[in-house]
Amino acid sequence: KQEVTQIPAALSVPEGENLVLNCSFTDSAIYNLQWFRQDPGKGLTSLLLIQSSQREQTSGRLNASLDKSSGRSTLYIAASQPGDSATYLCAVTGETSGSRLTFGEGTQLTVNP
Amino acid sequence: DVKVTQSSRYLVKRTGEKVFLECVQDMDHENMFWYRQDPGLGLRLIYFSYDVKMKEKGDIPEGYSVSREKKERFSLILESASTNQTSMYLCASSLFIGWGYNQPQHFGDGTRLSIL
Repeated sequence: KQEVTQIPAALSVPEGENLVLNCSFTDSAIYNLQWFRQDPGKGLTSLLLIQSSQREQTSGRLNASLDKSSGRSTLYIAASQPGDSATYLCAVTGETSGSRLTFGEGTQLTVNP
Repeated sequence: DVKVTQSSRYLVKRTGEKVFLECVQDMDHENMFWYRQDPGLGLRLIYFSYDVKMKEKGDIPEGYSVSREKKERFSLILESASTNQTSMYLCASSLFIGWGYNQPQHFGDGTRLSIL
């Protein structure tokens, strides 16, 4: 059964810092990996999706990388801002689960002004 | 932009009531999903549907059923609500373009359901 782990569970940084969030998964037979952002009391916003054949995806100040063989992904946030404060979740779909996402528990990020 | 709309942001119901949560998407997506989110347990899949009138059980289907009579609408039904079903419920949809070629899932804002 696929398991997704995100470390750290919480992170607090000063504004302007570059930071990395980590995601690991136990079964490397994935179709893709998706990073989401969740603001308190709200739904999830899709940030980036990386197909299993890709190594990375970029959107603005965000860069997500994927190392499928080692079961790891990172989300890099450049020049962090207070508006980046949210919980970041990663999730994978895989050969055993089809379109179903398996989620990590998230990293709660606080960017201090 | 994809729009996934959940009918209620907050809902309070009584134990034993039959509860309907509605979700509508406007992008003609084949796939639709219902999750619940609880502190310490993360997001867990309840049911999903890959076509009209089709449904598949997720990880925690007990106590729930679903209905998909039209492509754009996916309903979650709590047959007899219990206090342990108090939770945040999230609906999502995605486009199907072929097995193994998943597209991003797009989420609604969630329904915070309290069962008293």
